[in-house]
Amino acid sequence: TAGITQAPTSQILAAGRSMTLRCTQDMRHNAMYWYRQDLGLGLRLIHYSNTAGTTGKGEVPDGYSVSRANTDDFPLTLASAVPSQTSVYFCASSDPHQGEAFFGQGTRLTVV
Amino acid sequence: DQQVKQNSPSLSVQEGRISILNCDYTNSMFDYFLWYKKYPAEGPTFLISISSIKDKNEDGRFTVFLNKSAKHLSLHIVPSQPGDSAVYFCAASGRGGSQGNLIFGKGTKLSVKP
Repeated sequence: TAGITQAPTSQILAAGRSMTLRCTQDMRHNAMYWYRQDLGLGLRLIHYSNTAGTTGKGEVPDGYSVSRANTDDFPLTLASAVPSQTSVYFCASSDPHQGEAFFGQGTRLTVV
Repeated sequence: DQQVKQNSPSLSVQEGRISILNCDYTNSMFDYFLWYKKYPAEGPTFLISISSIKDKNEDGRFTVFLNKSAKHLSLHIVPSQPGDSAVYFCAASGRGGSQGNLIFGKGTKLSVKP
């Protein structure tokens, strides 16, 4: 079973360039999330979407945007990347009746 | 200010012994708590959870204890195995939003030595 698929696995990006991190889930979960993991800081929520057509801001939303056109996809866009956005990004989804979130394998992004 | 705190960045335990990972939280609105395990270059995987209406939940070698008055929870692994070596994240969520809006601690790296 695929679960949650993120692409790309890793990327080196020049500062000032834009990039979209892709996330697709096949579990028909209503809710989806983007987290970033930084050494010593744990996982921090960037944006979330409780259902298709709606999005919300998490703890660290600045510099990022998301869209939720359908249930399965939840892309994260960096409009103009900065070095502080170097991180590992995790997409997750959850069924509100279950409680726990399921994570993708992550995208390692380096902004130079 | 951190709402979920894991004050021990690392823990080393001998194989076969008990591992105890601790987590404190500050937000009394949290009503659901989870533990995730993460291996390098992989996403976090769900391990065990507990609702605020309980004080203990057990699943095989893993037990989570919740002390609401102290705003403290702990994960016990008995017996510890080398394959348990990973980073463990404590997470919490509360009312008013999707339960998946998890607030994570910084993690504790567990090393289980053979």
